[in-house]
Amino acid sequence: DTAVSQTPKYLVTQMGNDKSIKCEQNLGHDTMYWYKQDSKKFLKIMFSYNNKELIINETVPNRFSPKSPDKAHLNLHINSLELGDSAVYFCASSHWTGPETQYFGPGTRLLVL
Amino acid sequence: AQKITQTQPGMFVQEKEAVTLDCTYDTSDPSYGLFWYKQPSSGEMIFLIYQGSYDQQNATEGRYSLNFQKARKSANLVISASQLGDSAMYFCAMRGRTQGGSEKLVFGKGTKLTVNP
Repeated sequence: DTAVSQTPKYLVTQMGNDKSIKCEQNLGHDTMYWYKQDSKKFLKIMFSYNNKELIINETVPNRFSPKSPDKAHLNLHINSLELGDSAVYFCASSHWTGPETQYFGPGTRLLVL
Repeated sequence: AQKITQTQPGMFVQEKEAVTLDCTYDTSDPSYGLFWYKQPSSGEMIFLIYQGSYDQQNATEGRYSLNFQKARKSANLVISASQLGDSAMYFCAMRGRTQGGSEKLVFGKGTKLTVNP
């Protein structure tokens, strides 16, 4: 059983389009995250949600809008895609208190042409 | 602000030998956590090991151990008896805080480990 899943795994799209990435976790965690890994493999947090409430927004352009319908799901919608948005986007989840190890999804490889 | 430094962009090791991947950190928080993740060429991020700042003993998980030296602010990963499947990128991370006080993971730039047969 997949603990943290993301769809799609690959996404190729044209500049200016709008796209969404979905994330689901079945670990019973109450906190979920979006990370961006750039072409140099550097990982940086974008957003974090705890119990459907946004708690971290790390100066991400407002073209990126996360949505958490419930604590098991965190989706990422990107408007007006730009070339620089090409990256791997990882979803992760953890407990808010107690063991706080973050478990990552398989990643979504986004290529903007 | 929290910072993680991994000074080894790439490391090579012979199969069955041990290897140490370096990680130093900087934080002013008295309570923090240190993590190591493995990213194979397939791309997924795999959690390996965790060390809490107040843990008295070094963390171990199978062939992985964390050499935690608090005074030196280092948290090196030791992989014993390297296997070909250990070839991957390895990331050191620290549980840090945003300006608003929320917790987040801060990652180093990673070390690419190649295990030679």
